[in-house]
Amino acid sequence: AQSVSQHNHHVILSEAASLELGCNYSYGGTVNLFWYVQYPGQHLQLLLKYFSGDPLVKGIKGFEAEFIKSKFSFNLRKPSVQWSDTAEYFCAVTASSSASKIIFGSGTRLSIRP
Amino acid sequence: DAMVIQNPRYQVTQFGKPVTLSCSQTLNHNVMYWYQQKSSQAPKLLFHYYDKDFNNEADTPDNFQSRRPNTSFCFLDIRSPGLGDAAMYLCATSRDRYSGSLETQYFGPGTRLLVL
Repeated sequence: AQSVSQHNHHVILSEAASLELGCNYSYGGTVNLFWYVQYPGQHLQLLLKYFSGDPLVKGIKGFEAEFIKSKFSFNLRKPSVQWSDTAEYFCAVTASSSASKIIFGSGTRLSIRP
Repeated sequence: DAMVIQNPRYQVTQFGKPVTLSCSQTLNHNVMYWYQQKSSQAPKLLFHYYDKDFNNEADTPDNFQSRRPNTSFCFLDIRSPGLGDAAMYLCATSRDRYSGSLETQYFGPGTRLLVL
């Protein structure tokens, strides 16, 4: 069965610090990978996605993620965070054979100190 | 703007009293999903509709049912809510499935259910 692991439950950074949130998945076949963000009091929004092609994916608000197939990883990065990046971040995966079932990681809460 | 709309945003019900949550979409997507999200946890898929075809997850309790009368609307019915059913319920849509980028899911703001 597919699973997604986000190892950091809560990350606290100062403004302008660099960010990397880890995401690992377990599935041997072809996957589609997503990062969703949930700002306080708001709905889940798509940050970026990977389906095929260039493993370095750029998303909204300066975020990017790199798919490393050999490591089953899809880590999220941002070179310089802002206070407005405070949110919950969810990594998610779908497998081509699983009828659109999206498996979410448990989420990482990001707190940015002004 | 095209979007996924959920009403109400907050719902209070009594233990055992049936409750219905609603979702509508203006995206004209084929697939609609219902998720349950408890505090500090990942969203958990309950079921989804591909057009009129209902797909239940194996571990979704029988207490949870769904209806999709047309493309735009989908309802979540909880027949006898228990205290453990208090959660945020998320509706999502995708244009298609098995189709790469068309599987991208778009979420509504959620309905927070409180069971007294």
